[in-house]
Amino acid sequence: GNSVTQMEGPVTLSEEAFLTINCTYTATGYPSLFWYVQYPGEGLQLLLKATKADDKGSNKGFEATYRKETTSFHLEKGSVQVSDSAVYFCALSAPGDTGANSKLTFGKGITLSVRP
Amino acid sequence: DTEVTQTPKHLVMGMTNKKSLKCEQHMGHRAMYWYKQKAKKPPELMFVYSYEKLSINESVPSRFSPECPNSSLLNLHLHALQPEDSALYLCASSESGSVWNTDTQYFGPGTRLTVL
Repeated sequence: GNSVTQMEGPVTLSEEAFLTINCTYTATGYPSLFWYVQYPGEGLQLLLKATKADDKGSNKGFEATYRKETTSFHLEKGSVQVSDSAVYFCALSAPGDTGANSKLTFGKGITLSVRP
Repeated sequence: DTEVTQTPKHLVMGMTNKKSLKCEQHMGHRAMYWYKQKAKKPPELMFVYSYEKLSINESVPSRFSPECPNSSLLNLHLHALQPEDSALYLCASSESGSVWNTDTQYFGPGTRLTVL
């Protein structure tokens, strides 16, 4: 089956530090890959996505590259801000194999805290 | 515009009550989803509607009853819930209703449900 593995958290960084959050996946077929962010008390927001190998998704200074050879989709940001404090979920969507819609498979999520 | 709206934002109910959660999207998306999210966990898929028909039921107890009255609206009817059903309930939608769909899912802000 499909699975997503995220690095263990939580992560605490100082403002302007470099951020990397690791994400690796196992999937059949050719999945699309996503990073979602959840701010305290809110729903999930799409942060970025990539739909094929070597694609780079980017948004709000965050980047992630779809690496098929290492089955990875690591999230990076060069300089984090206090406002980036949130929970980050890596996820994949692979075509349905049971005649029904494809499903999102999530990683466990990681909490990022950025201190001033 | 990628907005999914959910009402109410918060709901407190007793174990004998009947209540409903509402989700709406006006993006012309043909697939809609209900998820349950417990604190510090990723969302868990409950139901998928594709072209207004129930496509996936992830073995959800019958005290949760979904309904899709039209392509823009998704309801979740609640009856005889248990305290362990307290959680954040998230609605999402995606553009295609195809079984090969790996489209982005856009989430609403969620309904925070407390069962007393």
